[in-house]
Amino acid sequence: SQQGEEDPQALSIQEGENATMNCSYKTSINNLQWYRQNSGRGLVHLILIRSNEREKHSGRLRVTLDTSKKSSSLLITASRAADTASYFCATDAGEYGNKLVFGAGTILRVKS
Amino acid sequence: DVKVTQSSRYLVKRTGEKVFLECVQDMDHENMFWYRQDPGLGLRLIYFSYDVKMKEKGDIPEGYSVSREKKERFSLILESASTNQTSMYLCASSFGLADEQFFGPGTRLTVL
Repeated sequence: SQQGEEDPQALSIQEGENATMNCSYKTSINNLQWYRQNSGRGLVHLILIRSNEREKHSGRLRVTLDTSKKSSSLLITASRAADTASYFCATDAGEYGNKLVFGAGTILRVKS
Repeated sequence: DVKVTQSSRYLVKRTGEKVFLECVQDMDHENMFWYRQDPGLGLRLIYFSYDVKMKEKGDIPEGYSVSREKKERFSLILESASTNQTSMYLCASSFGLADEQFFGPGTRLTVL
């Protein structure tokens, strides 16, 4: 079952532009996480935001969380070619909130 | 530097073979996970383990089993491989069940 669904499925931008990806989910959460996956590799954790937080920053990353709309967004500012990757959101869903449920991901391509 | 390693990056097996995928983590994490990743479907949880010799089914356990005899090692077993098990398999570990997960590089399994 997919809890988080990312939007758009794919995004292509020029280097230096900002990239925004969105994630919607269905049930209550304690936290929401964003991960990056470079082609054919494992996932790397980017940021975790708790349900009582509205915004969080990490370097060029900005994550927002709106629990009333059950949605989150990931903003990458001043994108670089190295940001080309798939981005996934994950929520602590499951009957007891005891596992992460990942969305299908957004494929970001940054053209240089 | 924390690390999750997987026994193979690429594996080719024949239908009906028994397949072992091994995962080792060096972070003393209680929790370990096996996912499969298919295009458009994101990551789907196969099994997870919250302690040595303890395991729980994930969303798609059919056709798989797992073994966790030591804290650092979590094995995924395909008792009789089938072509629909051709996929990327990702192992991960974490402190808490819904905490940040650390992923291995993945094993791309092809079943002919």
